[in-house]
Amino acid sequence: ETGVTQTPRHLVMGMTNKKSLKCEQHLGHNAMYWYKQSAKKPLELMFVYSLEERVENNSVPSRFSPECPNSSHLFLHLHTLQPEDSALYLCASSQDPAGGTYTGELFFGEGSRLTVL
Amino acid sequence: AQSVTQPDIHITVSEGASLELRCNYSYGATPYLFWYVQSPGQGLQLLLKYFSGDTLVQGIKGFEAEFKRSQSSFNLRKPSVHWSDAAEYFCAVANLHGSSNTGKLIFGQGTTLQVKP
Repeated sequence: ETGVTQTPRHLVMGMTNKKSLKCEQHLGHNAMYWYKQSAKKPLELMFVYSLEERVENNSVPSRFSPECPNSSHLFLHLHTLQPEDSALYLCASSQDPAGGTYTGELFFGEGSRLTVL
Repeated sequence: AQSVTQPDIHITVSEGASLELRCNYSYGATPYLFWYVQSPGQGLQLLLKYFSGDTLVQGIKGFEAEFKRSQSSFNLRKPSVHWSDAAEYFCAVANLHGSSNTGKLIFGQGTTLQVKP
């Protein structure tokens, strides 16, 4: 099992569709993250979950809705997206940021390439 | 505010030549520093990290980086580049002192490495 697994790897959707991205980590971590990577832009942190509680939401539009049912799984629900939302969505996990041994190291999945038509 | 700057957006080197990718950071305390590599269509893989101790750190794939506090730099080097090293490289600093301690990893904008045969 790879450390962080994302599905699907590729997704094409229309602006009126509803879809979800899934992330699963097998590293025993307590924190999970969604990043957005667009062409020629820096990585954008979207959401952070720590111990299944959302601890950061970086002004992300409501058409993106995260869900963290347990410490191993993270979803990103997508609804009425815009073409500019086309990007690579990266999931990552880490140790608990509030823990004493936290170092900041993130472990990334391979990403879900989203195209909105 | 914490930040990471990678001055070179794009670098081209010949196979077998040496490589240095620059990274400068702005951070008020002792930084935790990282270099990640991203191959096309893939997620980010950790190359190496610096937390404390020896300022020259060794990573995977023959990479090394040197932490220079006086210059606020953490440059990545490799003595002899291989064609498979063509990828995008990201420098990052961990923000461990934010008020919410949400484990934010601050990334540079990335440097794209092209390797000529």
